[in-house]
Amino acid sequence: DAMVIQNPRYQVTQFGKPVTLSCSQTLNHNVMYWYQQKSSQAPKLLFHYYDKDFNNEADTPDNFQSRRPNTSFCFLDIRSPGLGDAAMYLCATSRVWDGETQYFGPGTRLLVL
Amino acid sequence: EDQVTQSPEALRLQEGESSSLNCSYTVSGLRGLFWYRQDPGKGPEFLFTLYSAGEEKEKERLKATLTKKESFLHITAPKPEDSATYLCAVLGGTSYGKLTFGQGTILTVHP
Repeated sequence: DAMVIQNPRYQVTQFGKPVTLSCSQTLNHNVMYWYQQKSSQAPKLLFHYYDKDFNNEADTPDNFQSRRPNTSFCFLDIRSPGLGDAAMYLCATSRVWDGETQYFGPGTRLLVL
Repeated sequence: EDQVTQSPEALRLQEGESSSLNCSYTVSGLRGLFWYRQDPGKGPEFLFTLYSAGEEKEKERLKATLTKKESFLHITAPKPEDSATYLCAVLGGTSYGKLTFGQGTILTVHP
């Protein structure tokens, strides 16, 4: 089945220690998104790639970076995680960005000690 | 700025007791309204996409409807496995792919 895959499902890191979360998709979609979701809150868009074009949300902290080496993979890098960065990180994809359904992966739960 | 308000915040039903969840929205040029189901500790699972007022879609015990100002998710004869958080999101004409989510409705169905 075509799907969005996120690894790892759970990640524990230390305060200030860089961490990378990965997302892959078999849907062959052009757009990949990264969302942050904190407990009992709605998902918050961090950035998205349309093909290789990177689009950063204005309020996304500089501490968050992303890479998309090819159509299938996208990475979220947190350069110096703080306690406030503990959250569920969701990857989503869509065929195009205008009016198309976004399909989400299972998420990576990040814990910062 | 696009806005989405979901009500109620939480809903408790007995198994078989039908009800509706509401999603009110304001958006500049609706490009799509989306319903997702989210179980604890998991990513949102896609349910429906609606594009224009009057549109309806059904899947098993769920039916989604859309007007120019709101959408309803009707749940007919719910079962305990329908317990989850239901998220509504809109895509506006100037949002460039950025979904605006509501805060969700937490549905609990008791056997």
